[in-house]
Amino acid sequence: EIVMTQSPATLSVSPGEGATLSCRASQSVSSNLAWYQQKPGQAPRLLIYGASTRATGIPARFSGSGSGTEFTLTISSLQSEDFAVYYCQQYNNWPYTFGQGTKLEIK
Amino acid sequence: QVQLKESGPGLVKPSETLSLTCAVSGYSISSGYQWGWIRQPPGKGLEWIGSIYHSGSTYYNPSLKSRVTISVDTSKNQFSLKMSSVTAADTAVYYCARRPLSGYCDYWGQGTLVTVSS
Repeated sequence: EIVMTQSPATLSVSPGEGATLSCRASQSVSSNLAWYQQKPGQAPRLLIYGASTRATGIPARFSGSGSGTEFTLTISSLQSEDFAVYYCQQYNNWPYTFGQGTKLEIK
Repeated sequence: QVQLKESGPGLVKPSETLSLTCAVSGYSISSGYQWGWIRQPPGKGLEWIGSIYHSGSTYYNPSLKSRVTISVDTSKNQFSLKMSSVTAADTAVYYCARRPLSGYCDYWGQGTLVTVSS
């Protein structure tokens, strides 16, 4: 199965600053990659699919890029509600697999 | 507004069968999409269990395939998960979700914690 590796494990950023989260696939997943946000006690929320398409209702400060094996989620001007855990997921090969997550915490 | 809600026992004994149901509202399962189950052990990451199409076609994670059955009841607009021979390693929050054919999940249930313990 495809292994998804996210970095860093934890990212400390001040509100108002930007953040860049990385996701690497063990083999090419084309653009079949999604990003989710998860807050404590809640289900994951779809942010990005197709590597770069924002899901319905997702603010423009969230953007995704990449293809093949290297992907990035960029959040510009962090708001208080953005501090959460972020997961990437490949859906190019079954079984679909998730990264281990990046925790975005307030600095 | 599409909504999903999981239900089922929160405690299952080792070696027994875990059974969960996901009730869907705001969308007819018969209209399309795949419907899946994902789990998350406490403090850990997410794992796909499997999914089902309204026609009954299923896709199971090979690591769980021998123990998992997913079924759909279009008359009740719900789908279900059965996992046999559970152990403590199956303790997790179980989520149901709607899955477009491409493979990401656009709507999720709130999740239900299932603990495997005697």
